[in-house]
Amino acid sequence: AQTVTQSQPEMSVQEAETVTLSCTYDTSESDYYLFWYKQPPSRQMILVIRQEAYKQQNATENRFSVNFQKAAKSFSLKISDSQLGDAAMYFCAYRTYAGGTSYGKLTFGQGTILTVHP
Amino acid sequence: DVKVTQSSRYLVKRTGEKVFLECVQDMDHENMFWYRQDPGLGLRLIYFSYDVKMKEKGDIPEGYSVSREKKERFSLILESASTNQTSMYLCASSLSGTVLSLAKNIQYFGAGTRLSVL
Repeated sequence: AQTVTQSQPEMSVQEAETVTLSCTYDTSESDYYLFWYKQPPSRQMILVIRQEAYKQQNATENRFSVNFQKAAKSFSLKISDSQLGDAAMYFCAYRTYAGGTSYGKLTFGQGTILTVHP
Repeated sequence: DVKVTQSSRYLVKRTGEKVFLECVQDMDHENMFWYRQDPGLGLRLIYFSYDVKMKEKGDIPEGYSVSREKKERFSLILESASTNQTSMYLCASSLSGTVLSLAKNIQYFGAGTRLSVL
């Protein structure tokens, strides 16, 4: 079974600065998907960014980018120019590539609470 | 936009009560999921459904059951609520089909139901 580990329960950053959230995972599969979800105080989970394991290029979405290290099984999220609205719980998630039998199940990490200081 | 609606934001029940948590999605998604969110543990999958009347156990199904009589609605049932089922419950939905379409890999979440069992 796959496992996802977020070793930073809490992180903080100054507004306009850059912060990196860590995520490692364990799998024996060669093809899979990785996601970062954001859960603000409203509790509505929002997809931030996603990465296909077969792609070497790191995904980028505006101020959000990932550092995907497949050999190291590491998938960190970098938030540039942090804004007050980025304050939330962030979850790293893994999805197996074998869609026919997995039905898109996600395995989540423990979450990292990000605080943004003005 | 996809909308996943959970019927209650907050719920307080007594030990031994039968509890129903309801989830409705409006995008004709085949897959629906129930997760439980606890501090330090992230989200854990309770049950999921890939079609009407079809269900499969997730990682922590004990003490729970589910019902999917219509495609848009997925109910989580606590047959006899216990205090250790006090938690946040999140419902999600996604499309089915080939995983080659990344759009079909995205799970959309409801805002969660915070359940307290006294």
